[in-house]
Amino acid sequence: AQSVAQPEDQVKVAEGNPLTVKCTYSVSGNPYLFWYVQYPNRGLQFLLKYITGDNLVKGSYGFEAEFNKSQTSFHLKKPSALVSDSALYFCAVRGNTGKLIFGQGTTLQVKP
Amino acid sequence: DTGVSQNPRHKITKRGQNVTFRCDPISEHNRLYWYRQTLGQGPEFLTYFQNEAQLEKSRLLSDRFSAERPKGSFSTLEIQRTEQGDSAMYLCASRPRQGAGTSSTGELFFGEGSRLTVL
Repeated sequence: AQSVAQPEDQVKVAEGNPLTVKCTYSVSGNPYLFWYVQYPNRGLQFLLKYITGDNLVKGSYGFEAEFNKSQTSFHLKKPSALVSDSALYFCAVRGNTGKLIFGQGTTLQVKP
Repeated sequence: DTGVSQNPRHKITKRGQNVTFRCDPISEHNRLYWYRQTLGQGPEFLTYFQNEAQLEKSRLLSDRFSAERPKGSFSTLEIQRTEQGDSAMYLCASRPRQGAGTSSTGELFFGEGSRLTVL
């Protein structure tokens, strides 16, 4: 069965510093991987996805993610964090029927 | 606005009452998904429609829950005899058919959610 794990409940960084939010996956076959962001009392907004091709994927709002097959990871990164990036981040893997299977989420706190 | 629309955004009800949520997907999207999200957790899959056909139901979807998509457009999620444990955010998402001639690469487009509080 497909699954993702987000090992950190919370990540804290200072504004202007690089950030990393970690995600590992478990799938049979080739993974389709996604990152979403959620602001309080809002739905999920799509950030980026890995389907095939380059291991470094670029997405919205300056975010990128690195797919690493040997480590079964898909970590979300940003070179310079903004206070407005503070939110809840979810990693997801595509399951059968196209549904997405989400991790538990990581709260990102960017301090001024 | 051409995004996924959910109504109502908030619903407070007493235990034992029935509630219904509506989802209007993006118009050309034939696939529709319902998820439930409780505080501090990731969204959990409930059910999936392709056009009007309900093709998959999670074990989370007890017999008090029913979902329909009668004409392959909007969908409703009804919860009968609500319990306090049903308090959650109910999220709807849609996506277009994948394959040749489409631009879809698998991401789901989510609505803003319907928050249910059962007293």
